[in-house]
Amino acid sequence: KAGVTQTPRYLIKTRGQQVTLSCSPISGHRSVSWYQQTPGQGLQFLFEYFSETQRNKGNFPGRFSGRQFSNSRSEMNVSTLELGDSALYLCASSLDGQGDIYGYTFGSGTRLTVV
Amino acid sequence: EDKVVQSPLSLVVHEGDTVTLNCSYEVTNFRSLLWYKQEKKAPTFLFMLTSSGIEKKSGRLSSILDKKELFSILNITATQTGDSAVYLCAVSGTASKLTFGTGTRLQVTL
Repeated sequence: KAGVTQTPRYLIKTRGQQVTLSCSPISGHRSVSWYQQTPGQGLQFLFEYFSETQRNKGNFPGRFSGRQFSNSRSEMNVSTLELGDSALYLCASSLDGQGDIYGYTFGSGTRLTVV
Repeated sequence: EDKVVQSPLSLVVHEGDTVTLNCSYEVTNFRSLLWYKQEKKAPTFLFMLTSSGIEKKSGRLSSILDKKELFSILNITATQTGDSAVYLCAVSGTASKLTFGTGTRLQVTL
């Protein structure tokens, strides 16, 4: 059973550019959540999508957005990149977004560096 | 606002030692508490706890939840160098999200 796949693994962007990250959940999982991990703030929740609808959003500026497709794959977009956006971006897949049965399975992340 | 506090922040032990990691939390409408191990990138799932007083075990690792006092502990016995990692505690509440603590960095030396 394939795990959660995130692409690309690494990314270097310049301030002001925009970036799109991709996450393919475990087959059959309908919920995808996104998290930002930095040394200072730890893992922080960005947003969660379930059946192509955003159900929950964390405290991040509007420059951070996402979407989910009918096959449950999700993308997140960050526009007008700032140096502080440099982080490991992780996505988590779960059956229903509540993680009640099997918890949440994380991908290996995308390491974004903004220069 | 949901909150998770882990202690200690870091820990260095010798192989064979037993360690206890702590996690206290505040969450609206608690659903579950989860422990993850993070070595390089992807946090890997260890335990999910929903009921008080029931210990979950997996090999040398065990965990228990106290919903009255709002905390959980993760025990690792007979530690090995392969246990070196950051251990993350997270809680889920009403919303479909996890709130994480900052983690405990465990280093096991020979």
